[in-house]
Amino acid sequence: RKEVEQDPGPFNVPEGATVAFNCTYSNSASQSFFWYRQDCRKEPKLLMSVYSSGNEDGRFTAQLNRASQYISLLIRDSKLSDSATYLCVVHAMGGYNKLIFGAGTRLAVHP
Amino acid sequence: EAQVTQNPRYLITVTGKKLTVTCSQNMNHEYMSWYRQDPGLGLRQIYYSMNVEVTDKGDVPEGYKVSRKEKRNFPLILESPSPNQTSLYFCASSLEGADGYTFGSGTRLTVV
Repeated sequence: RKEVEQDPGPFNVPEGATVAFNCTYSNSASQSFFWYRQDCRKEPKLLMSVYSSGNEDGRFTAQLNRASQYISLLIRDSKLSDSATYLCVVHAMGGYNKLIFGAGTRLAVHP
Repeated sequence: EAQVTQNPRYLITVTGKKLTVTCSQNMNHEYMSWYRQDPGLGLRQIYYSMNVEVTDKGDVPEGYKVSRKEKRNFPLILESPSPNQTSLYFCASSLEGADGYTFGSGTRLTVV
């Protein structure tokens, strides 16, 4: 089983749609959680951190459920510029320092 | 501008010819890491460093070396590159490790 699992997609949605991505992680000792965005052939960029209380940044909302080891990202009112791959990332501690990446979910927003 | 700078951006080399990919950050970050990204496998950690002279293996360290003699630099060394090291490489840095990483623009390496 992969340490961080995501639906690979692609998700093809029209502009204005609401889309949700899910992610599960296997290491219950994981401490920090993130969503990164990666455009084709570019570097990953931090989109937002994910907190247990849930957090929102404009059209983006992230949720964490530690009991179920589940992370989600909701994008409202999708824009063409949201087209990218979204990476679920878990930071593991415990004697080492490591980001564990999901394989990514591809989003394509069309007119 | 706060950034992580990798060089070169693109490199084609032959099997067995030693090469170094440089990585430098100007944010006084403690943590630095190298990742490789391959289709279907996502990003995998090669090596990481928590401070000067402190480095450790990630998930796929075989065939790679690193050094951290200064806080800002974290070069990746391939002593004898092989075709299975053809990949997209990213260097990343973080202040505390748990606060998210900033990535360099990537190095696309082809070993023939």
